[in-house]
Amino acid sequence: GIQVEQSPPDLILQEGANSTLRCNFSDSVNNLQWFHQNPWGQLINLFYIPSGTKQNGRLSATTVATERYSLLYISSSQTTDSGVYFCAVEDNQGGKLIFGQGTELSVKP
Amino acid sequence: NAGVTQTPKFQVLKTGQSMTLQCAQDMNHEYMSWYRQDPGMGLRLIHYSVGAGITDQGEVPNGYNVSRSTTEDFPLRLLSAAPSQTSVYFCASSTHGDWGYTFGSGTRLTVV
Repeated sequence: GIQVEQSPPDLILQEGANSTLRCNFSDSVNNLQWFHQNPWGQLINLFYIPSGTKQNGRLSATTVATERYSLLYISSSQTTDSGVYFCAVEDNQGGKLIFGQGTELSVKP
Repeated sequence: NAGVTQTPKFQVLKTGQSMTLQCAQDMNHEYMSWYRQDPGMGLRLIHYSVGAGITDQGEVPNGYNVSRSTTEDFPLRLLSAAPSQTSVYFCASSTHGDWGYTFGSGTRLTVV
């Protein structure tokens, strides 16, 4: 099956700094999503982005499907950005997601 | 429109007990799936369904059963709970489109 690898596994930032999180996947996909898991355990859908670039406020994401990777950019980070960021893909059969191991982000005031 | 609803939110079981985790969605999504999340790890797929009457196994199906008799509901059954099944369980649903998968708020299960 498809393998999903995220980097870095951990990241510590000062408030106001920018960061880039990476997701590599091993085969072609129908769907790619980025999620933020907050300290209460909720999974918040950030982007549905099987290809191209999207922006939502301070966050943006780019997926290059032909090269099998996606990037999540966080600009002017805030303490509320802390948590774990997951990349997940849906293969061409559909019906389920395969998750990466996540990047744990800590933003210090 | 409630999205994906999971019940209960918390549960403590004794080893060997059985229980059903409920998952319901009101978005008429054809895809539904169950995941477990262990400390410090990503989510792993347990079972999934691409439509009513159709289910399939994921990465970690042992010890769990599912059925999909309606589009709305996708219950997860633990037949004989074991401490290794202590985890947080998430249910998700999806359909073709430009939004992707919607997740429930999770069920935190402890087996003692």
